[in-house]
Amino acid sequence: AQRVTQPEKLLSVFKGAPVELKCNYSYSGSPELFWYVQYSRQRLQLLLRHISRESIKGFTADLNKGETSFHLKKPFAQEEDSAMYYCALSGHSNYQLIWGAGTKLIIKP
Amino acid sequence: EPEVTQTPSHQVTQMGQEVILRCVPISNHLYFYWYRQILGQKVEFLVSFYNNEISEKSEIFDDQFSVERPDGSNFTLKIRSTKLEDSAMYFCASSTGTNTGELFFGEGSRLTVL
Repeated sequence: AQRVTQPEKLLSVFKGAPVELKCNYSYSGSPELFWYVQYSRQRLQLLLRHISRESIKGFTADLNKGETSFHLKKPFAQEEDSAMYYCALSGHSNYQLIWGAGTKLIIKP
Repeated sequence: EPEVTQTPSHQVTQMGQEVILRCVPISNHLYFYWYRQILGQKVEFLVSFYNNEISEKSEIFDDQFSVERPDGSNFTLKIRSTKLEDSAMYFCASSTGTNTGELFFGEGSRLTVL
């Protein structure tokens, strides 16, 4: 079964500290993994996808097929990073994304 | 920058009533989606729509649900006879193609069924 697990509902770190939001997935083939972000009172938007191998707003995420993980990392958190972060998977289906439950990230000043 | 727009932002309805949620996808997008998120739970796929027909739907999308693209711009989700458990935030999204994962979302329509 396709599944995305984000074990932390809430993550609170101080500004300037490193951040790692965990995402594990269950999928039998080669998935595409994504991180979406929702800032307060804004819409869901794509943050990054593993196939791009890019860094957006200082965030990176590496697909680890051995550990079936796609953790989101940032070395130095900023207050504006406070948001809800969702990990999502695109697998067998071309049309739907499978979502994790989301992690609320709070950056304390 | 073009955006997906949704109306209404919040609708309160009585159980058993019909509800129509409206979405205007980004104009050059070809694929349209509805997702929902019950409070405190995961975002869940409902349906995708391409070339004027449903391309995929989830188990949630039963006979009470329907989608339509009545004209060249709107994409609607209808719930025929609402139930309490239909209370959720409904998100419309659109994309240029499949398998890219980059969906452009609207701000959501919050449906409250009493």
